[in-house]
Amino acid sequence: GQNIDQPTEMTATEGAIVQINCTYQTSGFNGLFWYQQHAGEAPTFLSYNVLDGLEEKGRFSSFLSRSKGYSYLLLKELQMKDSASYLCALLDTGFQKLVFGTGTRLLVSP
Amino acid sequence: DVKVTQSSRYLVKRTGEKVFLECVQDMDHENMFWYRQDPGLGLRLIYFSYDVKMKEKGDIPEGYSVSREKKERFSLILESASTNQTSMYLCASSSHGATNEKLFFGSGTQLSVL
Repeated sequence: GQNIDQPTEMTATEGAIVQINCTYQTSGFNGLFWYQQHAGEAPTFLSYNVLDGLEEKGRFSSFLSRSKGYSYLLLKELQMKDSASYLCALLDTGFQKLVFGTGTRLLVSP
Repeated sequence: DVKVTQSSRYLVKRTGEKVFLECVQDMDHENMFWYRQDPGLGLRLIYFSYDVKMKEKGDIPEGYSVSREKKERFSLILESASTNQTSMYLCASSSHGATNEKLFFGSGTQLSVL
């Protein structure tokens, strides 16, 4: 099985940088995803890491270290619209299914 | 853009009723999934399908069944709804063999069982 841990809630200020961590215990996985979910809406894809290292996409970056069982999502130049839940998920090695963590609720204040 | 459509945004049913949740995707995706999302528990996989007429149990299949008669449609069935099945249900699809296998989600169905 897979065990994925994320902080439940984080707060940050507009314009700041925030790092959302995701730690996991698994026997194997194909890749790690980050999704964003605004309240009452469906999750939307943010990033995907297969290999160790940093993937940058505009204001958002995601990092993966397989040896440490660790990933993080870095959000720069925070905006109010970044207030949302951020979901970490592992792509299973078997049937291409995603296993999600419980998500981190980020609140951005002025 | 990929579109995953769930038939109802809100649904209220009574205990014991048979409930059908429908999901249709328009991008010819092979894989389709049903998740439920509950506060503090995140998204949990109920069932998934990687081809027509194929189905696989997810992590919490008890009390649910599914049907995939056509590639674009994946239905979730609650044979006899119970109050503990009150939840947000999310359908998703993905393409087999895609470079990153990312999921595209529908808008969700908030089901209340009274």
